[in-house]
Amino acid sequence: EAGVTQFPSHSVIEKGQTVTLRCDPISGHDNLYWYRRVMGKEIKFLLHFVKESKQDESGMPNNRFLAERTGGTYSTLKVQPAELEDSGVYFCASSQSEAGGETQYFGPGTRLLVL
Amino acid sequence: AQSVTQLGSHVSVSEGALVLLRCNYSSSVPPYLFWYVQYPNQGLQLLLKYTSAATLVKGINGFEAEFKKSETSFHLTKPSAHMSDAAEYFCAVRNTGGFKTIFGAGTRLFVKA
Repeated sequence: EAGVTQFPSHSVIEKGQTVTLRCDPISGHDNLYWYRRVMGKEIKFLLHFVKESKQDESGMPNNRFLAERTGGTYSTLKVQPAELEDSGVYFCASSQSEAGGETQYFGPGTRLLVL
Repeated sequence: AQSVTQLGSHVSVSEGALVLLRCNYSSSVPPYLFWYVQYPNQGLQLLLKYTSAATLVKGINGFEAEFKKSETSFHLTKPSAHMSDAAEYFCAVRNTGGFKTIFGAGTRLFVKA
């Protein structure tokens, strides 16, 4: 069974440009999460989808970030325009249910560097 | 609010020595607790989790952790370190009614030959 995949693995862009990150969850997983780790800091929750609906986007930093999950399958996270402080590793995770003890399976992350 | 503190951003042990990675949590409700490991250029992999059953939890690769409510701790141990254990380890907490995982800052484990 394929795990969570993310594309691209790395992205280097200039301040002010737009970047779109993609996440493909494990097949059949209705729950999809985005997290971010800024250099040396904790991994922080960004948002949670159940199918195509946003359940919680309380961790989104500001309105330069837009997440979508059309059709309830893959998800995209767009940053527009990118700022220096957006640099970090963006992780996607998925789970079958949103029960508290349910294992969330993580992808390898996208390493974003904004210059 | 929930939080996780991992003591020591870097831990170095010799091959064959005991591994002890410390984690303390704060939670106003009974928590679920997790340890994840990240090997270079890979995603986070679940090592083990505590979900209110046995307080001593055994995970993959010989790791285990003990939930101690009185100490609000969930330290990760392994009796004998292998070179392949070199990685970054994350302790995390989630409340029993939720889905949002709160992570610690991570501890990078170095294993010396």
